[in-house]
Amino acid sequence: DAGVIQSPRHEVTEMGQEVTLRCKLISGHNSLFWYRQTMMRGLELLIYFNNNVPIDDSGMPEDRFSAKMPNASFSTLKIQPSEPRDSAVYFCASSSARGPSILGTEAFFGQGTRLTVV
Amino acid sequence: DQQVKQNSPSLSVQEGRISILNCDYTNSMFDYFLWYKKYPAEGPTFLISISSIKDKNEDGRFTVFLNKSAKHLSLHIVPSQPGDSAVYFCAAIAQGGSEKLVFGKGTKLTVNP
Repeated sequence: DAGVIQSPRHEVTEMGQEVTLRCKLISGHNSLFWYRQTMMRGLELLIYFNNNVPIDDSGMPEDRFSAKMPNASFSTLKIQPSEPRDSAVYFCASSSARGPSILGTEAFFGQGTRLTVV
Repeated sequence: DQQVKQNSPSLSVQEGRISILNCDYTNSMFDYFLWYKKYPAEGPTFLISISSIKDKNEDGRFTVFLNKSAKHLSLHIVPSQPGDSAVYFCAAIAQGGSEKLVFGKGTKLTVNP
């Protein structure tokens, strides 16, 4: 397996534009996490899905952010409209859950998308 | 409110010596802890973990110690190698709780040859 694949690797966009980040999970994994990394806050969990269902989106900063899992292997994170303060590295991670808890499983991360909003 | 805290943003050690990275947590419900390593321009990769029923877990040069009463864990790397230079993230999770993996801000380790 090629691991978690994120695209694009880098994105530079103008303020107000829509940005879509993409993530392909590892085959067989059924938990999906979107994280954002900034200098100030480190790695923050934005949202996570289990079996395609959003379980907790309390980390999503505001309504401008939305995430979907149209199928079991793919997810998108959309920012509309984007703002300069959204500039960060966005990571997607997946893991295999045993039952209702993901305890004991380690999340595998993609390489991240570096977003710059100017 | 940071539930997982890594108070040292950076650490520099000499090759061959021991590296000790520290992590504190506030949520008493956390019962599984992980360390991730991150190289520049790459995603974090899992390094080692420990369950709250243990106080030590060892894997080669890496050992994680857990002190539940102090809500503190540490990662020891011995001997340190230049290739260990990376950012190390501590993470925690509460089984039966929110099931979210909560990360600290990371500590940048530099191992000097």
